[in-house]
This record gives sequence, structure tokens and C-alpha cells, in this order.
Amino acid sequence: GENVGLHLPTLSVQEGDNSIINCAYSNSASDYFIWYKQESGKGPQFIIDIRSNMDKRQGQRVTVLLNKTVKHLSLQIAATQPGDSAVYFCAERGSQTFGKGTMLLVSP
Amino acid sequence: NAGVTQTPKFQVLKTGQSMTLQCAQDMNHNSMYWYRQDPGMGLRLIYYSASEGTTDKGEVPNGYNVSRLNKREFSLRLESAAPSQTSVYFCASSHGLHNEQFFGPGTRLTVL
Repeated sequence: GENVGLHLPTLSVQEGDNSIINCAYSNSASDYFIWYKQESGKGPQFIIDIRSNMDKRQGQRVTVLLNKTVKHLSLQIAATQPGDSAVYFCAERGSQTFGKGTMLLVSP
Repeated sequence: NAGVTQTPKFQVLKTGQSMTLQCAQDMNHNSMYWYRQDPGMGLRLIYYSASEGTTDKGEVPNGYNVSRLNKREFSLRLESAAPSQTSVYFCASSHGLHNEQFFGPGTRLTVL
């Protein structure tokens, strides 16, 4: 499978701050990436995706940035809320490799 | 729509016992997957089925078998459970192999 890894296992932020979760990939031919959120005791849920012909995509309070030059993508969460506390995974199209994920902890 | 459903939610087995984890999806998806998730290990793919009638090994297939019973259902069987198979098992489905996956709520399995 592809090597999709995450830089930090845990990210702690204060409520209201912006959060940035990073992900690196190794296959320069990768053309589609997905971010998932997994809350405690639940299965992962799709958040947002991005294709390689884009470098930015925005959703509701979330933005994903893709830098193909350095094979890096990030998930930015604006005005982080306690409900955003979860493990976040990035995944690559066609690969069923998720990596360990980054745990986001939001303090009130 | 129920999405992806899994049964049972919890199961305790003794070493050597067998059991089948059930998974069904009502989204008319072609592809289905079984993962296990251990603390600090993330999701690891056990088996997947790209389409009805096909199954393929994933990253950690040893000790497991699967059956794609029909388009809706994909079961995972442990023939002789071992303590190393204690884990949370997630089933997922997607329209195709290159689409986002929808996950079930998981089955928490303990093997004593």
C-alpha cells in the first residue's frame, strides 16, 4: 500500500483556536485524498476530499490544503469546538491504508 | 437508510472458538472492506471485496476468512480465535475502490 503518514500523534488546542493536522504521502502519482474523523467508540466518517488538480478545498469550518511539491496535505479546522475532539485520518485514493491518525484534543 | 450495519456489537470468545462477524450495507455499494483497529495501530485492512464475487487479502489476512455473500453482505470469519485477534473490527463500503468509504459502528471482540 501507499505510505500515508501523519506527523503528530496528538494535537491539543483550546476551544476557539484553529487546528492544523498534517499528513505526508510518498506516491507522487497520488491524485485523490480523503480526510476521515473518528470519534470515540465510533467508526470513521468522511469529512472532506481533495483531488490533485486542486491545492485547496473548503468545507464547513474545514479546509484541506494540498502541496504536491512536497507531497503534503493538511486539514485546517476553524474555531475548533469540543465536538471536534476525535482522531483524524488521511487516506489516499485506491489505498486502504489509513495510518495511525492524529488525535485532536480540544480543551474548553 | 441504515448505512453500514455490523453484528454483533460486542463478543467474548475463548481461544480456539470460531465465529463470524456480519456486515451489511444498504447503499448499493460495490466494494466492501474489513479492518481491525488496535490501540496505537490505526486501521489495518484484513480483506476487501472490490465487487460482488471477488475478495482479496489486505495487510493482515492471517487467521481470517471472508465471504461476499451478495452485494449487500460481507462476513468475516475467525476459524480458531487467538488472543492476538482481540481488537475492534470495522466493516466499510464504498461505491468503488477509489471512493470514500462508509464505516459501520464496529464490533469489539475479546479473545480470552
